[in-house]
Amino acid sequence: DAMVIQNPRYQVTQFGKPVTLSCSQTLNHNVMYWYQQKSSQAPKLLFHYYDKDFNNEADTPDNFQSRRPNTSFCFLDIRSPGLGDAAMYLCATSRSRGSPNYGYTFGSGTRLTVV
Amino acid sequence: QQQVKQSPQSLIVQKGGISIINCAYENTAFDYFPWYQQFPGKGPALLIAIRPDVSEKKEGRFTISFNKSAKQFSLHIMDSQPGDSATYFCAAIVGGSYIPTFGRGTSLIVHP
Repeated sequence: DAMVIQNPRYQVTQFGKPVTLSCSQTLNHNVMYWYQQKSSQAPKLLFHYYDKDFNNEADTPDNFQSRRPNTSFCFLDIRSPGLGDAAMYLCATSRSRGSPNYGYTFGSGTRLTVV
Repeated sequence: QQQVKQSPQSLIVQKGGISIINCAYENTAFDYFPWYQQFPGKGPALLIAIRPDVSEKKEGRFTISFNKSAKQFSLHIMDSQPGDSATYFCAAIVGGSYIPTFGRGTSLIVHP
């Protein structure tokens, strides 16, 4: 039933060791998003893809990169994770047109721990 | 700069009581206001949403009240249940955009 699937659910990485989180969707939505959510905080948008167009938020650190090889998949790469990057990473998808809510759907998230 | 202000940060309610979460905004270009419910270890899920041309929307035990002149909207959970214990986020979307601006969230605990 899951329509936005994130893998893995839990990821432990070493300080400074590159890590990749993945997201796939079966909704055929043209927009995919990556959010960072720290404890007791709202999700913070890192970037999003509008089709193949990459849109970075101004305050997203250069340490975070993303790839979208096709409509269904999107990856979050953290080049050199620091302790401050430990968080829940949420993938979401939506349409860019058509209300209501543009079909906004979140995945269950990947909990990243940096040791 | 927080464009959607949400309060309270946390809320404890007894089973059967009414839970009320409030949000306020400044940007009059917002024209869609969804609420999301997030359980621990899960992503947020759409709960209920409203447009500013409607003052109230009800779905089961959940009601959104919207005050356009005051630029405020609130979520009311009637007959609150322990299963409603979760974090609730209000959000707002600018007309013509598709990206929500989230409030900081409210952690709701409903005691049996």
